[in-house]
Amino acid sequence: DTAVSQTPKYLVTQMGNDKSIKCEQNLGHDTMYWYKQDSKKFLKIMFSYNNKELIINETVPNRFSPKSPDKAHLNLHINSLELGDSAVYFCASSPFEGEQFFGPGTRLTVL
Amino acid sequence: RKEVEQDPGPFNVPEGATVAFNCTYSNSASQSFFWYRQDCRKEPKLLMSVYSSGNEDGRFTAQLNRASQYISLLIRDSKLSDSATYLCVVNGRQTGANNLFFGTGTRLTVIP
Repeated sequence: DTAVSQTPKYLVTQMGNDKSIKCEQNLGHDTMYWYKQDSKKFLKIMFSYNNKELIINETVPNRFSPKSPDKAHLNLHINSLELGDSAVYFCASSPFEGEQFFGPGTRLTVL
Repeated sequence: RKEVEQDPGPFNVPEGATVAFNCTYSNSASQSFFWYRQDCRKEPKLLMSVYSSGNEDGRFTAQLNRASQYISLLIRDSKLSDSATYLCVVNGRQTGANNLFFGTGTRLTVIP
């Protein structure tokens, strides 16, 4: 059983396009996250939702918009993609202050 | 200053060797500390939590020094399967949420 799943696994797109990445967790966790891992492998939090409410919003361009339709889902929509958005995006979930479980990642390449 | 700083390595060690990784963190209010492991092109996974009293899990020992804001991980009797990037992780607790700050990771390669 997949605990945290993301789709798609790979995403190749042109600059200026709008794309979405979906994330689902079946662990019953209250909190979900989006992280970005850049080419230097630095993993940085972007957003965190607790029970569908945004609780962490790091300095991220407003082209990035998270949406949580329910506690088990946290999707990431990106408008007007730029070359610098190329990275691996990881979704994660946790009990409020517990271990974070990561999804397999979505490798985004902007051409 | 970065929230968490680690030596990126790489560390190349022979099988059976003992290797130690260190990291420092900047937020003295941090409450939770972890080591995560990330294999190439995979997601990070929790290796172990780090407690003030130090803790051991098989060949792995983690230590925390709050006064120096310093965390360590010791791996004894290294196996080929230990080859991975080890991420030092600290809970920022700045928003009251589970805001984890990751170090850039230390890459370990265990050589036959």
